[in-house]
Amino acid sequence: GESVGLHLPTLSVQEGDNSIINCAYSNSASDYFIWYKQESGKGPQFIIDIRSNMDKRQGQRVTVLLNKTVKHLSLQIAATQPGDSAVYFCAETPSNYKLTFGKGTLLTVNP
Amino acid sequence: SQTIHQWPATLVQPVGSPLSLECTVEGTSNPNLYWYRQAAGRGLQLLFYSVGIGQISSEVPQNLSASRPQDRQFILSSKKLLLSDSGFYLCAWTTSYNEQFFGPGTRLTVL
Repeated sequence: GESVGLHLPTLSVQEGDNSIINCAYSNSASDYFIWYKQESGKGPQFIIDIRSNMDKRQGQRVTVLLNKTVKHLSLQIAATQPGDSAVYFCAETPSNYKLTFGKGTLLTVNP
Repeated sequence: SQTIHQWPATLVQPVGSPLSLECTVEGTSNPNLYWYRQAAGRGLQLLFYSVGIGQISSEVPQNLSASRPQDRQFILSSKKLLLSDSGFYLCAWTTSYNEQFFGPGTRLTVL
């Protein structure tokens, strides 16, 4: 079946550096993508989303890039802070109310 | 504003015992509701979703069942728990082809 996966299961960065978390998806019908942040013991928290008619969207310190040609999604975090340490999930949907989640990437920010 | 509640927050149950986890949403009407399970260090597995009262779709055949007795109430149940039912259970809601909002989760340990 269709799936969403991540290239890197773990990522360790120094405080202040930029972080890039990658995600590959396989459902060519997906037209809506989301990045979630999950801290230990908590539910996932929405970070940023993007629709398939866009290739870039920026938020506060975060940018999501979408490359539909290669079915690739990335999350860029600028000036990474210790509070950014968490597991990051990408999710995709062909707008049918059901999200498919990737396995997650653990981001560790070293002070 | 919308709020989603889950209880209990943590639960330790013996194998073979019944289970009832409850999720309620405030501040919205006719939401789509979801139950996910997350094993330690893993991604989110969609278990059930509901688009209305009494309407339940099962994604994965298993030892669990779900019910939606009221518009904003979603219940996850089991008659006899298995060891493999241990995990972090998350409830989520959405009202459109948009991001899902997650509850705080219930940590279930089956011994």
